[in-house]
Amino acid sequence: GAVVSQHPSWVICKSGTSVKIECRSLDFQATTMFWYRQFPKQSLMLMATSNEGSKATYEQGVEKDKFLINHASLTLSTLTVTSAHPEDSSFYICSLLQPMAITDTQYFGPGTRLTVL
Amino acid sequence: GQQLNQSPQSMFIQEGEDVSMNCTSSSIFNTWLWYKQDPGEGPVLLIALYKAGELTSNGRLTAQFGITRKDSFLNISASIPSDVGIYFCAGPTSGTYKYIFGTGTRLKVLA
Repeated sequence: GAVVSQHPSWVICKSGTSVKIECRSLDFQATTMFWYRQFPKQSLMLMATSNEGSKATYEQGVEKDKFLINHASLTLSTLTVTSAHPEDSSFYICSLLQPMAITDTQYFGPGTRLTVL
Repeated sequence: GQQLNQSPQSMFIQEGEDVSMNCTSSSIFNTWLWYKQDPGEGPVLLIALYKAGELTSNGRLTAQFGITRKDSFLNISASIPSDVGIYFCAGPTSGTYKYIFGTGTRLKVLA
């Protein structure tokens, strides 16, 4: 499957600052990427769908002005958490959609752990 | 909305034992995927199922797409310590490529 990287792998920031997380497709040009959030001992929750060259679409309850997504190229999508607060502390994981023989399949990055103090 | 419930929630097993877990939904899915997540890592795809009744293996793992299309099963044979982790089922919501993830089964293997 596709190889996906994320940077940074972990980050600690002060409350009120902004943090940018990068998601890169290393071997595949991805027109569609997804951003998930996972709280401790919980499942993955989809935050938004990132489409190359167009605006991201956000899931219900996810603030688009707080979680800025940019998918400017076929190999890079970024998620910026603006004015971060402690409740934004979570594990953020991206995935990309790769066409397969039968149906497109999502492959995931290694995740970024964000801690907001 | 669509939800995926996994059972059991967690399990301790002895090394060498076989493991079974399942995933159920109140609505029909056309694709079932099983992922494994190690601590601090992203999910890794184990098996993908595309047709009702399909039985697919990947090494010691075997997964089945339920006939009703509302459930799926994952079996691990002869478990080893590195099988430790959280196993998630997932499926695309109707007409989209957006995945819903199950509640997860946390597996712990005792050597």
